[in-house]
Amino acid sequence: KQEVTQIPAALSVPEGENLVLNCSFTDSAIYNLQWFRQDPGKGLTSLLLIQSSQREQTSGRLNASLDKSSGRSTLYIAASQPGDSATYLCAARTYSGGYQKVTFGTGTKLQVIP
Amino acid sequence: SAVISQKPSRDICQRGTSLTIQCQVDSQVTMMFWYRQQPGQSLTLIATANQGSEATYESGFVIDKFPISRPNLTFSTLTVSNMSPEDSSIYLCSVEVWGESTDTQYFGPGTRLTVL
Repeated sequence: KQEVTQIPAALSVPEGENLVLNCSFTDSAIYNLQWFRQDPGKGLTSLLLIQSSQREQTSGRLNASLDKSSGRSTLYIAASQPGDSATYLCAARTYSGGYQKVTFGTGTKLQVIP
Repeated sequence: SAVISQKPSRDICQRGTSLTIQCQVDSQVTMMFWYRQQPGQSLTLIATANQGSEATYESGFVIDKFPISRPNLTFSTLTVSNMSPEDSSIYLCSVEVWGESTDTQYFGPGTRLTVL
């Protein structure tokens, strides 16, 4: 059974800092890994998706990496801004019994202080 | 990509009543998913809804409590029946878009349910 863990659970940084969010998964046979952002009381917004054959994806100030052998993914945010404040969730997609299954992490709540 | 809308966006309900949540997608999709996010927790899959067949429920969720309809390829409903305060959560509708080389998941804005 896939388990996805995110550390830290919460993070507070001053504006302008570069930061790294971590995501660990127990089953390395993943199909892809997706990072989401969730604003308070809202749904999820897809940020980046990394296929199992890829090592990283970039979008603007965001860079996500994937290391299947160690069961880890990181989301790097450059030059953080107050608007980046949100909860960040990673989700690992695996195949189980012929079906795709998505397992979400517990999330990291980020606060960027002006 | 896919744009998903949900109704209602939030509701406050009395114990013992039922609420039906609607999910509308701007394109035809095969699989739709319903998730629950309890306060301070991550997402838990309730069921997968395929058009033209019975929904598939995850362990711990049953059809009598969470009946689902999927009348066509762009619409689904989730009913939370005989509600109790423990059902207070955000309920999220999601779809998968299968691309040439990737499967991406998209989410609706969620329905925030409070049960008194």
